[in-house]
Amino acid sequence: DGGITQSPKYLFRKEGQNVTLSCEQNLNHDAMYWYRQDPGQGLRLIYYSQIVNDFQKGDIAEGYSVSREKKESFPLTVTSAQKNPTAFYLCASSRGYVNSPLHFGNGTRLTVT
Amino acid sequence: QQQVKQSPQSLIVQKGGISIINCAYENTAFDYFPWYQQFPGKGPALLIAIRPDVSEKKEGRFTISFNKSAKQFSLHIMDSQPGDSATYFCAAISMDSSYKLIFGSGTRLLVRP
Repeated sequence: DGGITQSPKYLFRKEGQNVTLSCEQNLNHDAMYWYRQDPGQGLRLIYYSQIVNDFQKGDIAEGYSVSREKKESFPLTVTSAQKNPTAFYLCASSRGYVNSPLHFGNGTRLTVT
Repeated sequence: QQQVKQSPQSLIVQKGGISIINCAYENTAFDYFPWYQQFPGKGPALLIAIRPDVSEKKEGRFTISFNKSAKQFSLHIMDSQPGDSATYFCAAISMDSSYKLIFGSGTRLLVRP
């Protein structure tokens, strides 16, 4: 089955540590995205990538970094500079044209203490 | 201008009733309006979408009504079922937005049996 795999489902880290969230897709989609979901705030865009080796900052990129070395993979690193990293992180992909639907993974819940 | 305002934040409906979720926007450049449905612990999935050149789109029990002059659109769920209990997000995007889908804050729907 084609889809997006995010791992792990739950992640716990100590404050001050960097952590990398995995996102893999086998939909052959060009575009990939990272969203952060907090209660009552909807989905906010962190980073997106339209092609391999290229990515752009979203609305809340501070404290995060990404790479896009392969079409299938778009890992997100939450750095120690992110002031409030505890959240539900969603990865998505799309064919890359404006009205193409986003296909989401099932998310990673990150807890930093 | 880039916001999409969604209401209500939560909604409780009896089985068989009509669920109505409303969204409003300011940016007249928005030209594609999808709705996403998210079950607990899962990523959102596209439910239905509309372009501003039509006033209504229906898919099964789900209908989007669109009022271009008022810059408002709404989701109606007819004959609501307990299985419809989920969080619903409206969204908007414009052709010149560099693929940045703007999400509303979400509505948590509970359909009582």
